[in-house]
This record gives sequence, structure tokens and C-alpha cells, in this order.
Amino acid sequence: DAGITQSPRYKITETGRQVTLMCHQTWSHSYMFWYRQDLGHGLRLIYYSAAADITDKGEVPDGYVVSRSKTENFPLTLESATRSQTSVYFCASSWQQPGGYYEQYFGPGTRLTVT
Amino acid sequence: AQKITQTQPGMFVQEKEAVTLDCTYDTSDQSYGLFWYKQPSSGEMIFLIYQGSYDEQNATEGRYSLNFQKARKSANLVISASQLGDSAMYFCAMREAPGFGGSNYKLTFGKGTLLTVNP
Repeated sequence: DAGITQSPRYKITETGRQVTLMCHQTWSHSYMFWYRQDLGHGLRLIYYSAAADITDKGEVPDGYVVSRSKTENFPLTLESATRSQTSVYFCASSWQQPGGYYEQYFGPGTRLTVT
Repeated sequence: AQKITQTQPGMFVQEKEAVTLDCTYDTSDQSYGLFWYKQPSSGEMIFLIYQGSYDEQNATEGRYSLNFQKARKSANLVISASQLGDSAMYFCAMREAPGFGGSNYKLTFGKGTLLTVNP
């Protein structure tokens, strides 16, 4: 199916473990983004990518690593998970619309709990 | 300082009535864009409407319209004829100028407004 998918949808892990959240899109969109959503904070940008092999930090990048070797994939890795990284993680991709603006398409989210 | 401010943590509206969700923003850029997204209880993020800073007319999409007041830096979402299915969290977001190389298409989100539509 065309679209943007995230896996796993739910994950429970222990403090200190490495966790990788996967994001895959079938549209060949250039731009991809990772956000985390926490109560009282809305969505905050972790990392984004303008194209394969081009990534940059967002608002809250500490403790996270990203890579983008292929246009369609944008994995997010928590190198050593902490309880403060318990959150819902959204991946998004972006493409220019006929009106000239870039709409972001969001994946279904991954709910991560760090115990 | 917050770039996007949504001052209403929660709003209630009667079915079939109109409701306005407030959003103010802060930017020094001349070129920027404003978005509204809906997040129902199921969790997905749904794009509703977009307004560019140079657009002279307020954006409309079906029952959604954006009341854009540039001088006041506000971009309020108006939902007409509310339906029970409109109950959700609503987020205002801003995309600032792309910057050199055109790579800066990231969005900054507000904290959201939880809308409840009563029957």
C-alpha cells in the first residue's frame, strides 16, 4: 500500500537499551521528519532530512540518532533509552503541493514506553 | 519564546454551531506558511488547511476556514456547522522561510486545543 508506515506501532523497552524505530514511505518524498509528542508540548521536531544522506537536528535531538541511506527509509535510533524518551513518535514526509506549499504527511505513530 | 501559541487548552461547542480555535505566531520572516492539523483520539495526524503569508484571501476547505490576520500575527481556524466527528485535538503549525538551499521545510507546532462537540 502506498503511504507512510512506522514500525513497531508499540514498543516497551528497558532503560539503557538501544531501540530503533522504523519509518518507510512509498512516495519518494524528499523531505522526512521525526517528531515526538508529549502531553503539554504538542509535537516537537527531533531530526529531519532533506534527501538521502542529508540530515539535520531539530528542536530536541539529544539521545537520538538518524540515518537515511535510501530515500524511502528514515530510521530513528535511541542509543541508550531513558524514561524521559517515553513518548509517541511520529514520522512524516513532505512534498510540494500544486499550490506551492509543502504539506507533511504523517505516519500512524509509534508509542514507546521506557521502563 | 513560543513561536506558535494556542491559548485554549480545551473548547466545547454544540453540534451544528461554529467554533473558532485561536492561534498566534511569532516570526520575523516575510515568507512563511501556517497549517492546521487534526488529531482524533485514534492518534493520526490529518492535514486540514494551509495559509501562505502572501495569500491575500483567507484559505477555505469545506467547513474549515482560516481567519488570517497578518498584522496581528493570528491564524485562527473556524469550523462551521460542527459535527460530532470534529471532536479531536487541533494543532496549529508554522513553516518559516526555507533558508539557503531550500532545506528548511520543518514545522513548528503549537501545544494544541482539544475540541469537544456536544450533541
